[in-house]
Amino acid sequence: GQQVMQIPQYQHVQEGEDFTTYCNSSTTLSNIQWYKQRPGGHPVFLIQLVKSGEVKKQKRLTFQFGEAKKNSSLHITATQTTDVGTYFCAANTGNQFYFGTGTSLTVIP
Amino acid sequence: DGGITQSPKYLFRKEGQNVTLSCEQNLNHDAMYWYRQDPGQGLRLIYYSQIVNDFQKGDIAEGYSVSREKKESFPLTVTSAQKNPTAFYLCASSGSGTALELFFGSGTQLSVL
Repeated sequence: GQQVMQIPQYQHVQEGEDFTTYCNSSTTLSNIQWYKQRPGGHPVFLIQLVKSGEVKKQKRLTFQFGEAKKNSSLHITATQTTDVGTYFCAANTGNQFYFGTGTSLTVIP
Repeated sequence: DGGITQSPKYLFRKEGQNVTLSCEQNLNHDAMYWYRQDPGQGLRLIYYSQIVNDFQKGDIAEGYSVSREKKESFPLTVTSAQKNPTAFYLCASSGSGTALELFFGSGTQLSVL
């Protein structure tokens, strides 16, 4: 199936520091989605990117889709303790969703 | 409230036993999915169904079976052939059109006794 690599696997930051997770594919993606899973919870949809070079913002979160549509990133500015959780990217091929391995974010108060 | 309901929240399986995880949705979604999540890992697709009475194997279907007799329901059976069933199982659904986001249930934690 589709291979989607995500780095880093874990990230610990002090509250107020920035955080970035990266998602990479060896093939061109039609779109990329991002999900957040709180500890003990289930993944919740954050956003979908479709266009080459697309940038979308949600408050302190900035999502980017690469020009070649093979990579994407999620950047959080000035992390807060509410940002704790695992962030997954997912490639939608139309019939299936292929998830990255996720980045677990810990925010130290 | 519209959503996806998974039950039970916790399930224990004995050796050689088949167990069935329930997944019901009232979102009127055509597509439904089962994912397995192991600690520190991503979500791996077990089975998916795009329409009633039809389903497809995902990347790790061995040892699992599903049915899709109703649009609202997509139960997953973990058979005795699945030798390492301990994991967190997530059911999801998606609609049609351009915004094909996944809506997840709250999950079932399956453990082996």
